[in-house]
Amino acid sequence: AQRVTQPEKLLSVFKGAPVELKCNYSYSGSPELFWYVQYSRQRLQLLLRHISRESIKGFTADLNKGETSFHLKKPFAQEEDSAMYYCALSPGAGSYQLTFGKGTKLSVIP
Amino acid sequence: GAVVSQHPSWVICKSGTSVKIECRSLDFQATTMFWYRQFPKQSLMLMATSNEGSKATYEQGVEKDKFLINHASLTLSTLTVTSAHPEDSSFYICSARRLAGGGETQYFGPGTRLLVL
Repeated sequence: AQRVTQPEKLLSVFKGAPVELKCNYSYSGSPELFWYVQYSRQRLQLLLRHISRESIKGFTADLNKGETSFHLKKPFAQEEDSAMYYCALSPGAGSYQLTFGKGTKLSVIP
Repeated sequence: GAVVSQHPSWVICKSGTSVKIECRSLDFQATTMFWYRQFPKQSLMLMATSNEGSKATYEQGVEKDKFLINHASLTLSTLTVTSAHPEDSSFYICSARRLAGGGETQYFGPGTRLLVL
């Protein structure tokens, strides 16, 4: 069975500081990894996916198969980045079910 | 953009009654929708996968007779909590799968908060 671990429940950083939200996973196959974000009083929305290898709102995430990690990074945090971030895994190969981590609440201090 | 709606946004009901929650994809067709449950300060837990025109696939530990899912059209899936009890009180979220240029993406509804008295 797959598992997604986000070790930090809460992460506080100052505006302009770098931020890294950690995500580790366990899965025997070749999964697809995602980061979802939930801003205050809004619905969950996709931030980025590893297969796209893109940067969204300044965030990037690299899939490290050796370390089974998919950490989310941004060099300079902004106040509007304050939100709940969820790492999620899909088994791929035709399965679209998502397994979510418990989430990390990012708080950017002005 | 892809929009998924849920109705109602919140509902309060008496123990023993049944509650129906609707999930609609407003501007795209979704052959697959998903139902999640989220407890306070916890992550989303997948309950079931809803496939248009066929039976839903339930995750281990989820009672299919308790949580009835119907996906009658490409834009609508419903979750009925039958004979609801206080322990069924939770935040229920649906998502709809959409294929786009960048691959497959799930779009989430705003959620339905259920309180069973």
